[in-house]
Amino acid sequence: DAKTTQPNSMESNEEEPVHLPCNHSTISGTDYIHWYRQLPSQGPEYVIHGLTSNVNNRMASLAIAEDRKSSTLILHRATLRDAAVYYCILRDVGGSQGNLIFGKGTKLSVKP
Amino acid sequence: DGGITQSPKYLFRKEGQNVTLSCEQNLNHDAMYWYRQDPGQGLRLIYYSQIVNDFQKGDIAEGYSVSREKKESFPLTVTSAQKNPTAFYLCATRPRANRNTEAFFGQGTRLTVV
Repeated sequence: DAKTTQPNSMESNEEEPVHLPCNHSTISGTDYIHWYRQLPSQGPEYVIHGLTSNVNNRMASLAIAEDRKSSTLILHRATLRDAAVYYCILRDVGGSQGNLIFGKGTKLSVKP
Repeated sequence: DGGITQSPKYLFRKEGQNVTLSCEQNLNHDAMYWYRQDPGQGLRLIYYSQIVNDFQKGDIAEGYSVSREKKESFPLTVTSAQKNPTAFYLCATRPRANRNTEAFFGQGTRLTVV
């Protein structure tokens, strides 16, 4: 079972910021938080990951709560190409070493 | 070009037949993975391999088999024992089986049983 909780869907307007939330209340102290996104009929692509501190890269920013039980992926200016399913993922603690367990993710729609 | 190549992109299979999906990578990554995705669902892990000549079952391995004879290749066979094989299959790699490294995905193979 996935160990994160995300809204099923979200909508955004083009060129506006988007905040995608993720809850992970059972996160362990050494779990990293990863975000991937998947465009229709394609494989997922890596977006960003972090442990405790907020992280920025050319695609997005990751804000991690102080207690690490939640995080938010921030797209600073949404474009139509950002319409995808976004997955928030923790390390697999149950067995398969280093594997990523994908939930259903959040389907982001971007309106022009 | 560096990357992961999955072939074919679309595959049709008759019931009762085995079929093999190809996954090749030239990234020199140690770890390789196979996932299955059903419509509107997330990805589920079928098999993974952390090193050549070694592989482990994932969450839904029944009806599937793999081999890892070369670092670059991790083919997946969907056998007739898989009761509902129609799905989107994704191959992924990581530099090492380390939880902090990003995974790279192929473009997927869409398998349909006819």
